[in-house]
Amino acid sequence: QSALTQPASVSGSPGQSITISCTGTSSDVGVYKYVSWYQQHPGKAPKLMLYDVNTRPSGVSNRFSGSKSGNTASLTISGLQAEDEADYYCSSYTGSSTLNVFGTGTKVSVL
Amino acid sequence: EVQLVESGGGLVQPGGSLRLSCAASGFTFSTYWMHWVRQDPGKGLVWVSRMNHDGTNTTYADSVKGRFTISRDNAKNILYLQMNSLRVEDTAVYYCVRGLGGMQVDYWGQGTLVTVSS
Repeated sequence: QSALTQPASVSGSPGQSITISCTGTSSDVGVYKYVSWYQQHPGKAPKLMLYDVNTRPSGVSNRFSGSKSGNTASLTISGLQAEDEADYYCSSYTGSSTLNVFGTGTKVSVL
Repeated sequence: EVQLVESGGGLVQPGGSLRLSCAASGFTFSTYWMHWVRQDPGKGLVWVSRMNHDGTNTTYADSVKGRFTISRDNAKNILYLQMNSLRVEDTAVYYCVRGLGGMQVDYWGQGTLVTVSS
């Protein structure tokens, strides 16, 4: 099972919106609603930002939103802030024996 | 407050064994699926294993199947990962993570570093 494909880096200025893509296949992202996104600051554990494609856990800012079209899921951060600078990983349920696959990760930089 | 605290990591030679523990608190441990996820140094996340709430259902990544064993003690609120026949490529930070459904996870521990090297 190959990792989901994410851009290596995305950057934006404070206040702007950015979108991170997560491309999978018809065996994972394309057929399941179980897509989640995690934020990881350097040296820290990942933090859940979205699950079930577009559901925010309690306490996560509404500046974070998710969507899915075909085999690609997306995370959009609006009103970019310095604290959003981190690595972001997507994840999807998969029909393979592995059951779960993570994305390659995207480094978000706030210019 | 949900807390997951891993321990048991360290340096081990190839072929050796190690047992990781994860002490859980702040939620009803016995009602949740629990997972182990690892992260190679400077690299991405890889799901390792999961166990259902009462220990009757386990799943493993192909890369660890037959070598790693997940278990839990619901009386003590502890999750374990027994790692045998360790390989250099098992070197990673291992995270204990609470299940959310559909293989999604929500709360993560701080991680424990396992280094396999001669």
